[in-house]
Amino acid sequence: DAGITQSPRHKVTETGTPVTLRCHQTENHRYMYWYRQDPGHGLRLIHYSYGVKDTDKGEVSDGYSVSRSKTEDFLLTLESATSSQTSVYFCAISELDRGFNQPQHFGDGTRLSIL
Amino acid sequence: SQQGEEDPQALSIQEGENATMNCSYKTSINNLQWYRQNSGRGLVHLILIRSNEREKHSGRLRVTLDTSKKSSSLLITASRAADTASYFCATLTIQGAQKLVFGQGTRLTINP
Repeated sequence: DAGITQSPRHKVTETGTPVTLRCHQTENHRYMYWYRQDPGHGLRLIHYSYGVKDTDKGEVSDGYSVSRSKTEDFLLTLESATSSQTSVYFCAISELDRGFNQPQHFGDGTRLSIL
Repeated sequence: SQQGEEDPQALSIQEGENATMNCSYKTSINNLQWYRQNSGRGLVHLILIRSNEREKHSGRLRVTLDTSKKSSSLLITASRAADTASYFCATLTIQGAQKLVFGQGTRLTINP
């Protein structure tokens, strides 16, 4: 398995609170991604990073921010959590800079519940 | 809207039978990838097929790609109980940012 660790694995919090999820990789891959997975929607891209301090928005970026200060860490922050952000969040990495025909490798997810 | 759409949404077969899942997409692609997800786990990459390829094999997996019909199929032969999982197709589009777009998945159940 690719060396990807997501923390925490489970979190319950209240509406309006800030939440930060962490993705840590040991593969030295340049590209990192945050997705959310919801029933009926599959996986949707929130934000991605193509290098340290280089990030861009995905399909569902509203209400989320990211930071990448080191190659190995990619943080996802919910600035003021809402119930609609209850979901399972997945981090992924890829060596896309070796060519576009590269797979993504996923962590095991963070189950986040906003009450 | 999702680029890839899987069909069927759910499939239940007996162990030993073959399972076929289909994926359709809308825009031109660089490649198409299939992933498996076991309950409570992350996605695992199965196979990648490039836009200039028509068929690819990996063990009991066979993937076909028809770019004229914008569709792909994943065949799992001689299914096993351990194949029970959700299967997703994902496309890497040619235009715009190089990001994977996932379909909603097919839930495959293998009955012993």
